[in-house]
Amino acid sequence: QKEVEQNSGPLSVPEGAIASLNCTYSDRGSQSFFWYRQYSGKSPELIMSIYSNGDKEDGRFTAQLNKASQYVSLLIRDSQPSDSATYLCAVRESASKIIFGSGTRLSIRP
Amino acid sequence: GAVVSQHPSWVICKSGTSVKIECRSLDFQATTMFWYRQFPKQSLMLMATSNEGSKATYEQGVEKDKFLINHASLTLSTLTVTSAHPEDSSFYICSAPPRGGPKSNQPQHFGDGTRLSIL
Repeated sequence: QKEVEQNSGPLSVPEGAIASLNCTYSDRGSQSFFWYRQYSGKSPELIMSIYSNGDKEDGRFTAQLNKASQYVSLLIRDSQPSDSATYLCAVRESASKIIFGSGTRLSIRP
Repeated sequence: GAVVSQHPSWVICKSGTSVKIECRSLDFQATTMFWYRQFPKQSLMLMATSNEGSKATYEQGVEKDKFLINHASLTLSTLTVTSAHPEDSSFYICSAPPRGGPKSNQPQHFGDGTRLSIL
């Protein structure tokens, strides 16, 4: 059974600090990785996608991928209260299916 | 703007009722769509993959006779929860593959979800 693991949290971070979210995956052949943000009662929305080793930056968000360690992370700089949500790590299997982690609840305290 | 439209967004009905949820791809054709279910504080679990013009592919443990999926056209997939019971209450979300096709590296497009409450 291919798996995507995340710490469920909650992760509490002061406003303005860096929030670090981590994810590991079991399928070494995975090629596509995504971070989604989900507010309570809402559908997931894509934050970042990453496909190659290293860092990818987009505004306050940085995704990091290490395929050798089967590890992907998301950093949120200058955290804002509006960043409080559940963050889902998702990995595409070799076919068309995407597997989601259980999500990490992030809380930004003012 | 939204590329996948899901309707209704919220349903409350009595136990034993059948409920139909629609998922439409807007301005693009989707030969495949995915149906997920999410219980409170849990992750999205793939229920089934609908395929235009053929039978849906169900994940292990999902009752195909209870969750009827129809993909009648290139822009519409429906999920019908038959004889719904309180344990079927959940958040149901559909998604369509990226415009480059199911095997593209690009992310999926999600609908806004349907919150189903069975009394």
